[in-house]
Amino acid sequence: DQQVKQNSPSLSVQEGRISILNCDYTNSMFDYFLWYKKYPAEGPTFLISISSIKDKNEDGRFTVFLNKSAKHLSLHIVPSQPGDSAVYFCAASRLRGNEKLTFGTGTRLTIIP
Amino acid sequence: DVKVTQSSRYLVKRTGEKVFLECVQDMDHENMFWYRQDPGLGLRLIYFSYDVKMKEKGDIPEGYSVSREKKERFSLILESASTNQTSMYLCASSLQGAGGPIEAFGPGTRLTVT
Repeated sequence: DQQVKQNSPSLSVQEGRISILNCDYTNSMFDYFLWYKKYPAEGPTFLISISSIKDKNEDGRFTVFLNKSAKHLSLHIVPSQPGDSAVYFCAASRLRGNEKLTFGTGTRLTIIP
Repeated sequence: DVKVTQSSRYLVKRTGEKVFLECVQDMDHENMFWYRQDPGLGLRLIYFSYDVKMKEKGDIPEGYSVSREKKERFSLILESASTNQTSMYLCASSLQGAGGPIEAFGPGTRLTVT
């Protein structure tokens, strides 16, 4: 039972354009959401997070949007750069109760120069 | 910078062997985790520990055990390796509990069981 889904296994975007990565979840109890980035042969690195009391969080070129009614979040990268080419994982948890992170299946983003 | 190191980057073992994957973190984090990453399945939590000698099962603990004798070290043990345990294994540590952001992952161990 995949509670966090990333339906696009891969995405290609032209350098300088906007990259939009999507993530859907089924568990309405999730209240904290994160994005991680992973390069080959390296561990994932934490990018950005959002709690359910907000619908947007921004950090430089990265913005995460949360639509609770649709159980959907997205990561926007503007402008996309070649170094953004990586696998991106979304993750979700319930902070109350300190429950573990549940990760999505990942989306491989390729930035085309 | 938090550093999480894993004892091996690549490992090849035979079916039935006992396998030890070691992980060490240098930031005095309370919480440590073992994940495996498989194509199309993302990261799945095997075990985690929130204190020395404490452990909790994750989503897929079958066939694995763990040991945390010291705060900085968290070991994953495959009691009798099987081919379906061929995977990328990632260790991680965090200051916050299991639901908070994980600040640091190790580089991973690519285990092949033949």
